[in-house]
Amino acid sequence: DVKVTQSSRYLVKRTGEKVFLECVQDMDHENMFWYRQDPGLGLRLIYFSYDVKMKEKGDIPEGYSVSREKKERFSLILESASTNQTSMYLCASSLYTWVGAHNEQFFGPGTRLTVL
Amino acid sequence: SQELEQSPQSLIVQEGKNLTINCTSSKTLYGLYWYKQKYGEGLIFLMMLQKGGEEKSHEKITAKLDEKKQQSSLHITASQPSHAGIYLCGADKASGNTGKLIFGQGTTLQVKP
Repeated sequence: DVKVTQSSRYLVKRTGEKVFLECVQDMDHENMFWYRQDPGLGLRLIYFSYDVKMKEKGDIPEGYSVSREKKERFSLILESASTNQTSMYLCASSLYTWVGAHNEQFFGPGTRLTVL
Repeated sequence: SQELEQSPQSLIVQEGKNLTINCTSSKTLYGLYWYKQKYGEGLIFLMMLQKGGEEKSHEKITAKLDEKKQQSSLHITASQPSHAGIYLCGADKASGNTGKLIFGQGTTLQVKP
């Protein structure tokens, strides 16, 4: 079974702090994703990585950066946390395939971040 | 841009009742994924549909993709409290082959004992 783990289930930070969210997958997947989930807004893609050191902006990248130095690890960085970044953060991974093939993403348990 | 609309947004059913959740797209769906999420947790992959008219079942959950590949339904038979949660549909982004998915807003299901 694919296992995706996230470094923290709950995190409380102060405005202006630099925040690191870590995600690790154990299935040698090429693709990794960071989403945030907010009530009424659904899942929104922040950043996507399709290979080591490769990244692509998602729909809401502002205020975030990412790092992928190793295939199994994808980090989300909040450079200067703000209260509007209080949210549930979900990491996912998938195999590299093509449109219409099996692109199911496997998700971690999520990190609920509160910025005070 | 491609969007997925789910209906209903929320649902409360009595234990033992059947229910259906719908997921509709304005564009052809090349891959349709159903996920379940328990409150405060990650998404669990349920099943994936690719072909028009395809139907898959797992335990008491059946998912279908219509012939035109623009609508999918998720049907739960004889619902149980363990079925409660948020159900999301996801679909391959029509352009490119990067593995990105778009997601519906989710349907919150409560099952009353």
